[in-house]
Amino acid sequence: DTAVSQTPKYLVTQMGNDKSIKCEQNLGHDTMYWYKQDSKKFLKIMFSYNNKELIINETVPNRFSPKSPDKAHLNLHINSLELGDSAVYFCASSPFGQTGLFDTIYFGEGSWLTVV
Amino acid sequence: QKEVEQNSGPLSVPEGAIASLNCTYSDRGSQSFFWYRQYSGKSPELIMFIYSNGDKEDGRFTAQLNKASQYVSLLIRDSQPSDSATYLCAVAGNTPLVFGKGTRLSVIA
Repeated sequence: DTAVSQTPKYLVTQMGNDKSIKCEQNLGHDTMYWYKQDSKKFLKIMFSYNNKELIINETVPNRFSPKSPDKAHLNLHINSLELGDSAVYFCASSPFGQTGLFDTIYFGEGSWLTVV
Repeated sequence: QKEVEQNSGPLSVPEGAIASLNCTYSDRGSQSFFWYRQYSGKSPELIMFIYSNGDKEDGRFTAQLNKASQYVSLLIRDSQPSDSATYLCAVAGNTPLVFGKGTRLSVIA
């Protein structure tokens, strides 16, 4: 029973194309995220949603557009893909934590995007 | 700019030894602290979290937090080759988890 699932796992596409990654969590969490891990393995937050509302948008190009139809789903659409977009994109979710809104993050398996 | 610093390694230890991984953070308002393990080609998985100063033990793992020094560490006792992975320190407060760049640990059999 996968807690945070994302599809597709691998995606190879040409520059200029548009692609989407879908994510679903069955943990009952209110907060969901998209993180990007680059070739140097640095994991950096892109977006955070709480109960379908965007709460964090970290200086990400507007070619990236997240969408949360409900609190269990958070999708990522990328327009006009560039070579530099090649990375691993992790969806994640977290419960309301002991110290506040942001607490332990549970990651999906990742989506490996290669732009050629 | 919130920052989390880790030595990138690789840190090599012999099997059965204690591996010590360190992390410093810049935001004094940080409230929760995490260690994740990431095997190559896999997603990060939570090992431990700690909120209060002092030590927290879970099996072979001990997390240590010193808020005054803005320092978090992870000790792995009786290291096994299966512990070879990248260990990510993460810090959260009023913002989502900020990750360090990770320390690559290699346990030599």
